[in-house]
Amino acid sequence: SAVISQKPSRDICQRGTSLTIQCQVDSQVTMMFWYRQQPGQSLTLIATANQGSEATYESGFVIDKFPISRPNLTFSTLTVSNMSPEDSSIYLCSSGFTYQETQYFGPGTRLLVL
Amino acid sequence: QKEVEQNSGPLSVPEGAIASLNCTYSDRGSQSFFWYRQYSGKSPELIMFIYSNGDKEDGRFTAQLNKASQYVSLLIRDSQPSDSATYLCAVDTGRRALTFGSGTRLQVQP
Repeated sequence: SAVISQKPSRDICQRGTSLTIQCQVDSQVTMMFWYRQQPGQSLTLIATANQGSEATYESGFVIDKFPISRPNLTFSTLTVSNMSPEDSSIYLCSSGFTYQETQYFGPGTRLLVL
Repeated sequence: QKEVEQNSGPLSVPEGAIASLNCTYSDRGSQSFFWYRQYSGKSPELIMFIYSNGDKEDGRFTAQLNKASQYVSLLIRDSQPSDSATYLCAVDTGRRALTFGSGTRLQVQP
């Protein structure tokens, strides 16, 4: 399995500001994904982070609000832009392996927007 | 209709009993099926994955898949209080990204 780390683990932010979340995997992976888990809810896919090309966003999520970078096969960032209290969630990155088709999750970033 | 459906629970079982968790999915093209366990305040932890019809066993856990009926289940034998958590069913429809059910909260009573 992959070891995935995220930074920051939690943050409290003011509305209107932006926060960039980092995700680091301990080995090269083909796929990386970003999910959101709102309070008391299950996980919702935000986007697939593609190495060397633009991220693929799910319905309801847009690049201007959630820009994503994937500069190499072990690292990705998600920015939550122009935050509002509705963005208060846990943001999780995950990685998948082509040959295993399993996904492992990072520890998550708990975001509270005031 | 939700793509992946689970009973939210809570499902309460006594210690030592078998806990049975069920999940149905709507996309017949779904290829891979996963069970994650999530403790409160923690990220999801992969328990099992299954691709083929039938049963797959790993220790106290058995995953069962029936593609014709579009359901997947997880059995936990000899349930322990430490198994108390939310169990998430997830489905890969072929895009590698996962669609999650809402989760079933399991409570194992000592």
